[in-house]
Amino acid sequence: QVQLVESGGGLVKPGGSLRLSCAASGFTFSDYYVSWIRQAPGKGLELVLYINSRGTTIYYADSVKGRFAISTDNAKNSLYLQMNSLRAEDAALYYCARGPRADSHAFDIWGQGTMVTVSS
Amino acid sequence: QSALTQPPSASGSPGQSVAISCTGTSSDVGAYNYVSWYQQHPGKAPKLMIYEVDKRPSGVPDRFSGSKSGNTASLSVSGLQAEDEADYYCSSYAGSNNYVFGTGTKVTVL
Repeated sequence: QVQLVESGGGLVKPGGSLRLSCAASGFTFSDYYVSWIRQAPGKGLELVLYINSRGTTIYYADSVKGRFAISTDNAKNSLYLQMNSLRAEDAALYYCARGPRADSHAFDIWGQGTMVTVSS
Repeated sequence: QSALTQPPSASGSPGQSVAISCTGTSSDVGAYNYVSWYQQHPGKAPKLMIYEVDKRPSGVPDRFSGSKSGNTASLSVSGLQAEDEADYYCSSYAGSNNYVFGTGTKVTVL
């Protein structure tokens, strides 16, 4: 079964750090682009950043440049989102998604998300 | 990059049709045929419903259809069913490796 499972969310103080994980099954994530997309409570979707199949970060949202970074572990078929210098506005449900697909430019598989709360 | 504009809500009775608009600019929706639509039930992950403006992934009912005219894309749902009640988001490629999402539309089946 093709799926993505996120973990690692939680409560962190402003200025703190958190690392989210995304485990892929049913496909080899290193064959695809993979994204982190977030959704603040009651708000819409926002593309945060994504990597290509070689593990190179292709895009960062301006709001996270210099603070967020992706890393990968091919042996575990997993990728990680290291979030530093967290701000209140980073609080959101963070989704891992397969895509954007090179052909369709769509995000075709999504995880259930992991919640990040930033509060003192 | 600003979010694509969608109406906050839309509704229809079972069996009827509903259409949702997604308005962007000549730099995103108007520039590329890479508009996709996602369905999100409460507490669930988004699900891809339409890609490349009007293509349906395997398993998506043909009651769902997409179109585009100029800077505005649309998602139509015909033969509304209770299970179609959800939030719907559009997305478009915006150039320079960037993608923008819509503000979201809550569809209610009356």
